[in-house]
Amino acid sequence: NAGVTQTPKFRVLKTGQSMTLLCAQDMNHEYMYWYRQDPGMGLRLIHYSVGEGTTAKGEVPDGYNVSRLKKQNFLLGLESAAPSQTSVYFCASRWQGEAFFGQGTRLTVV
Amino acid sequence: GESVGLHLPTLSVQEGDNSIINCAYSNSASDYFIWYKQESGKGPQFIIDIRSNMDKRQGQRVTVLLNKTVKHLSLQIAATQPGDSAVYFCADISGGGADGLTFGKGTHLIIQP
Repeated sequence: NAGVTQTPKFRVLKTGQSMTLLCAQDMNHEYMYWYRQDPGMGLRLIHYSVGEGTTAKGEVPDGYNVSRLKKQNFLLGLESAAPSQTSVYFCASRWQGEAFFGQGTRLTVV
Repeated sequence: GESVGLHLPTLSVQEGDNSIINCAYSNSASDYFIWYKQESGKGPQFIIDIRSNMDKRQGQRVTVLLNKTVKHLSLQIAATQPGDSAVYFCADISGGGADGLTFGKGTHLIIQP
């Protein structure tokens, strides 16, 4: 009964480094989303996917790339991390009802 | 821009009182609304949802009201308990649900003993 699992939970990067955040869901949901959450800003949509092999830009896509090669996985990539990307990242999945969220990844870029 | 927003960043209530958290949305095409609760250090958790063909929906100690005329959504929590302390977000989906959920900035509910 895992639901939505994000890895890693914490990460510290140096400016310019790259990394990939993994989101996995076991509910066979079509839609998957990546959000970032900053103090006082709520949740802002970075990218989303409406099915395997598809991706689309959200509200704040710059500096991020995504891939959905398998239905159950949605990857968020940072090619060259910047301090402005310090945030808590949440993945979510849904089909016809509410979205289910992972526990978040706290990323710090120094 | 953002299609949903909450009126107050912080709401303080006495334990045992009822809490009302408000949300305004601007997208007339929104047809599905969800309230989430986020406790410190955790991901958002589903509380209750409502579709645009309804005006009211009740759950356990929670009620969501939808006023499509003024594009307003509210979450009522009865007999507020210490465990209700969290940030509450409203979110909406439009156009069949393929787009991302759009969230408001959240209201931090503080429970006073």
